[in-house]
Amino acid sequence: RKEVEQDPGPFNVPEGATVAFNCTYSNSASQSFFWYRQDCRKEPKLLMSVYSSGNEDGRFTAQLNRASQYISLLIRDSKLSDSATYLCVVKGDSSYKLIFGSGTRLLVRP
Amino acid sequence: DTGVSQNPRHKITKRGQNVTFRCDPISEHNRLYWYRQTLGQGPEFLTYFQNEAQLEKSRLLSDRFSAERPKGSFSTLEIQRTEQGDSAMYLCASSRAQGASPYEQYFGPGTRLTVT
Repeated sequence: RKEVEQDPGPFNVPEGATVAFNCTYSNSASQSFFWYRQDCRKEPKLLMSVYSSGNEDGRFTAQLNRASQYISLLIRDSKLSDSATYLCVVKGDSSYKLIFGSGTRLLVRP
Repeated sequence: DTGVSQNPRHKITKRGQNVTFRCDPISEHNRLYWYRQTLGQGPEFLTYFQNEAQLEKSRLLSDRFSAERPKGSFSTLEIQRTEQGDSAMYLCASSRAQGASPYEQYFGPGTRLTVT
């Protein structure tokens, strides 16, 4: 079983749609959580950290459910420029390394 | 604001050759990480440094791989006797050790290695 699991997609949505991604993680002792965005053949870029109380940054909302060990990302009012792969990322309990899911691909169509 | 830089951006080499990649982290960041990413997968951790000390190595880092950060600034990753399975994107990241968000890592553009 992978440590971080995501639906690979692709999610194909029209502009303006709301789309949600979930991921699950296996290590209950994990302490920090992130969403990264990766464009084709580019480096991952930090989209947002995920806090226990949930957090919002413009059109993006992240939530964490520690009891169920899942993390979600909601994108409202999708833009064409949101088309990318979204990586769910977990920091281990005693290590600084980041553990990445395989990513969920989003395609936003006109 | 200067981000993480990596050189070269692309490297094509023949099987059996040695290659070396360089990473320059964000200047005030004292933690530096190496990851490897293959097509369709997320990045996989290889190793990390705090200042010049290499504090963790993945079992993915075979004996043919070595990383250094001699003065706590830039780092190099060397692969000896390259194999076709080493073909991947090699990503470097850095983070602060203290202050706000010490666990947020910022990535360089990567070095894409092709072993023929």
